[in-house]
Amino acid sequence: DGGITQSPKYLFRKEGQNVTLSCEQNLNHDAMYWYRQDPGQGLRLIYYSQIVNDFQKGDIAEGYSVSREKKESFPLTVTSAQKNPTAFYLCASSIDSQGTRNTEAFFGQGTRLTVV
Amino acid sequence: AQSVAQPEDQVNVAEGNPLTVKCTYSVSGNPYLFWYVQYPNRGLQFLLKYITGDNLVKGSYGFEAEFNKSQTSFHLKKPSALVSDSALYFCAVRDILRFGAGTRLTVKP
Repeated sequence: DGGITQSPKYLFRKEGQNVTLSCEQNLNHDAMYWYRQDPGQGLRLIYYSQIVNDFQKGDIAEGYSVSREKKESFPLTVTSAQKNPTAFYLCASSIDSQGTRNTEAFFGQGTRLTVV
Repeated sequence: AQSVAQPEDQVNVAEGNPLTVKCTYSVSGNPYLFWYVQYPNRGLQFLLKYITGDNLVKGSYGFEAEFNKSQTSFHLKKPSALVSDSALYFCAVRDILRFGAGTRLTVKP
């Protein structure tokens, strides 16, 4: 099945530890995104990547890092510098071929990160 | 910067009644607008989009949205609500995909 897969579904982290969230897609999409969702709030953009080996900061990038070494993969690392990392994290991708910006995004099922 | 706003945190309707979830946008140039739905502890599902053309866009599950350029709005509508439509609804805008704060729709039997 084609789709976008996030793992793990639930993740617990001790304070001061870095943790990496996985996002893989087999849709051959060019663009990938990471969002953070807090209870009762909307989605806030952390990072996005429109092409392999390139990515840009979103609105709340502090305390996070990403890489885009392969088209299929866009892992997100939550570093110890992120002051309040407990949240629901969503990864998405969109085809965006030839620079188009009118395509819809497909979402993974999310990773719920809890700091203990 | 491009942005969308959803003025209502919560919308309550009775089953069988029409529903409207509101969205306004702020963009430079032509807007690319989207609606998504989210069920508890899940990712978002695409409902419909406006790119160009007809102001009334039809999407999944009987939903439609009306694009109004003069009012800079893109309201989501459905003629007859179902209890199963209860969920969190997000309006979004591109170039870079950004979302509104979401509206929780509750349909009561």
